[in-house]
Amino acid sequence: SQQGEEDPQALSIQEGENATMNCSYKTSINNLQWYRQNSGRGLVHLILIRSNEREKHSGRLRVTLDTSKKSSSLLITASRAADTASYFCATDATGGGNKLTFGTGTQLKVEL
Amino acid sequence: DAGVTQSPTHLIKTRGQQVTLRCSPKSGHDTVSWYQQALGQGPQFIFQYYEEEERQRGNFPDRFSGHQFPNYSSELNVNALLLGDSALYLCASSPGLEQGAFFGQGTRLTVV
Repeated sequence: SQQGEEDPQALSIQEGENATMNCSYKTSINNLQWYRQNSGRGLVHLILIRSNEREKHSGRLRVTLDTSKKSSSLLITASRAADTASYFCATDATGGGNKLTFGTGTQLKVEL
Repeated sequence: DAGVTQSPTHLIKTRGQQVTLRCSPKSGHDTVSWYQQALGQGPQFIFQYYEEEERQRGNFPDRFSGHQFPNYSSELNVNALLLGDSALYLCASSPGLEQGAFFGQGTRLTVV
């Protein structure tokens, strides 16, 4: 079963704009990870944030984590057409041992 | 350094048949997990192998079985295929607990 829910389900923006995706989850976690998937192929690991961290950056990506609200957000700044993909959050539950539980994903479309 | 490699990329099988999917983890990774991703859904955890043993299992029937070899590569076997087994099967490897997972490009299985 899916633990997380991403919001929105779909997002369409213009190149250069920022894109924000949100993720909610249900159980206590060791860490939360964000992945990108192009055209139903393999998942690309973007960023991992641990339960004791509140914010993390990687290039144009910024991830926040609020464990009290069991939620996370992914911000992509200055988006590019190549960012068009599906984005998933995945949680590694406390004691889960790398068993990832994925949300339903956000489909991002960046238009020229 | 090759990432996670999966074979074959596509496969068409008939209901009732058996299938074997293969995965070679990223160099240095000793933990392999398998996921099933139905169309339009997030991946769902099938099971995880470490030191040639199944360490964790998701909510999948016994028709799904696996194996890990001494070189850390892994196989996923599905017996008595059902139409509902049609999905993208993803293999992921990681270097240890609470580390990000690296995914292969997946095997697209179609059961007819």
